[in-house]
Amino acid sequence: DQQVKQNSPSLSVQEGRISILNCDYTNSMFDYFLWYKKYPAEGPTFLISISSIKDKNEDGRFTVFLNKSAKHLSLHIVPSQPGDSAVYFCAARSLYSDNYGQNFVFGPGTRLSVLP
Amino acid sequence: DAGVTQSPTHLIKTRGQQVTLRCSPKSGHDTVSWYQQALGQGPQFIFQYYEEEERQRGNFPDRFSGHQFPNYSSELNVNALLLGDSALYLCASSRQYEGTDQETQYFGPGTRLLVL
Repeated sequence: DQQVKQNSPSLSVQEGRISILNCDYTNSMFDYFLWYKKYPAEGPTFLISISSIKDKNEDGRFTVFLNKSAKHLSLHIVPSQPGDSAVYFCAARSLYSDNYGQNFVFGPGTRLSVLP
Repeated sequence: DAGVTQSPTHLIKTRGQQVTLRCSPKSGHDTVSWYQQALGQGPQFIFQYYEEEERQRGNFPDRFSGHQFPNYSSELNVNALLLGDSALYLCASSRQYEGTDQETQYFGPGTRLLVL
């Protein structure tokens, strides 16, 4: 049972346009969310995070939006650049889990292709 | 500032063998988590080590074990290898901040294990 879903396996966007990557979750105990980018033959690279007490967090070209009632978050990249082409993973963690450890649950990823 | 490092980068084993993977965390980090990433999927949490103890464990059998050393580096051991253990094994490090949700995990490049 996937607790974190990324329903679009791939997305193609023209350079300069906006890329919107979506993520849905089912566990209402999740309240800290992160986006990672992964290039082939490299480990995931942290992009941006958001706590459930916020509905938006912005860092340069990257903005993450959180809709807690819909259990949905999205990553906006504006403007998209060819170097943004990678696999993007959404991850979630329960801040108040029964276990003390920090367990991040990842979605299956969305492959973004930014076309020049 | 060195990031998370992992060794070896690639490994080929046969069924039934045992394997040890190694991870050095990012400078200043004291917590190490291990993930398994199968092809086309997101990383799956194996376990996390803090203060040389396994603090939380995902849904992986006892064939998967680990260790954390006083210098915070860590090993992942897998016994009685199965074909299905073929995957990219990722190590992530983080630093514990008390009373905050600002923990972010930083990933190494991974070790690609092939079991024949």
